[in-house]
Amino acid sequence: KAGVTQTPRYLIKTRGQQVTLSCSPISGHRSVSWYQQTPGQGLQFLFEYFSETQRNKGNFPGRFSGRQFSNSRSEMNVSTLELGDSALYLCASSAGTTKEKLFFGSGTQLSVL
Amino acid sequence: QKEVEQNSGPLSVPEGAIASLNCTYSDRGSQSFFWYRQYSGKSPELIMSIYSNGDKEDGRFTAQLNKASQYVSLLIRDSQPSDSATYLCAVNEDSGYALNFGKGTSLLVTP
Repeated sequence: KAGVTQTPRYLIKTRGQQVTLSCSPISGHRSVSWYQQTPGQGLQFLFEYFSETQRNKGNFPGRFSGRQFSNSRSEMNVSTLELGDSALYLCASSAGTTKEKLFFGSGTQLSVL
Repeated sequence: QKEVEQNSGPLSVPEGAIASLNCTYSDRGSQSFFWYRQYSGKSPELIMSIYSNGDKEDGRFTAQLNKASQYVSLLIRDSQPSDSATYLCAVNEDSGYALNFGKGTSLLVTP
């Protein structure tokens, strides 16, 4: 079974630009979650989608948004990039119940210059 | 603010010893608890889940949960150098669809 696939693996952007990250979940998984990981803050929850609906949102500004498509693939978008947005962005998929385990992709390393 | 607290370490243990990793959480409504292992430059990998009080064993790993004390621990028996990694404790939030992670404990197993 193929794992969670994230693209691109690395991104370099400048302040003020916007970026779109992509995630394909494990086949059959309907829930996709996004996390931001930084050395100082650790892993922080961004949002979670299930069957194209956002069920949960973390404490991030509105510049961070996401969506999920009918095939469960998900994208997240960050507009007006700031230096502090430099981080590893991780996507995780699960079947979608409260006790389900999350399976993470390799992540997208975003650097904002 | 719901918190998951871990000692950042590094925790250093000799090869063959038992490594004990601890985690406390603030949300009494939490129902699901997970331990993830993250090697440097890699993504987190699930190693244990536990949902009820007591111990759960899987190979060299034992997870322990005490909901009254809001405490979760992970024991690694016969530690190997390949166990050297950061161990992340994760707790589901009461909404059920997000995990709240601790900042992780760095474990170093020395030969």
